[in-house]
Amino acid sequence: QSVLTQPPSASGTPGQRVTISCYGSSSDIGGNPVNWYQQLPGTAPKLLIYSNNQRPSGVPDRFSGSKSGTSASLAISGLQSEDEADYYCATWDDSLNGPVFGGGTKLTVL
Amino acid sequence: VHLQESGPGLVKPSETLSLTCTVSGGSISSFYWSWIRQPPGKGLEWIGYIYYSGTTNYNPSLKSRVTMSVDTSKNQFSLKLSSVTAADTAVYYCAGYYGSGNSGPWGQGTLVTVSS
Repeated sequence: QSVLTQPPSASGTPGQRVTISCYGSSSDIGGNPVNWYQQLPGTAPKLLIYSNNQRPSGVPDRFSGSKSGTSASLAISGLQSEDEADYYCATWDDSLNGPVFGGGTKLTVL
Repeated sequence: VHLQESGPGLVKPSETLSLTCTVSGGSISSFYWSWIRQPPGKGLEWIGYIYYSGTTNYNPSLKSRVTMSVDTSKNQFSLKLSSVTAADTAVYYCAGYYGSGNSGPWGQGTLVTVSS
């Protein structure tokens, strides 16, 4: 069972906006930056968002992140077929002194 | 910064899994170097980290079986996981983390299968 809680699945049609939530606690999300990853089949996770809402160079601005208290969310606007992937939230856990992950959300583009 | 995992893709039950991560294009002193694994069809699990100084921290769930080491002269860090079982079959990733807790670079991952 993952430390961070994500919905197992999400879906949307091309052009739509979808949001994926991530719930944690005061010892993880509550006090540390949240990262979001995109994982395409057979590939390593790719960093989409760091420091709650910052995009690494090359990540389209269709992807945005936010955090409030002990929860965070990833929004994808203008959904495209190539966005179909697994998405993971992650953050540092002060108790573990290491990173913890959500269970992943499988995004389907209908 | 580029990371590359290397090591055997098949390990027998009860033996020790050994992997090495080679860091190129950057300093090995810049990150907390982690190993993370992902069993087939499942989520991500942090195994532990090592700093260039040799300081380590392991996930309590694996601590009794994990040893990490670093070789700064070769820009490499390594993982040893002892007494493996089929449950240790996974893609193993090496990754770097900033002191802020943000993720840095990840390797492409290597599949390790535990089977006789």
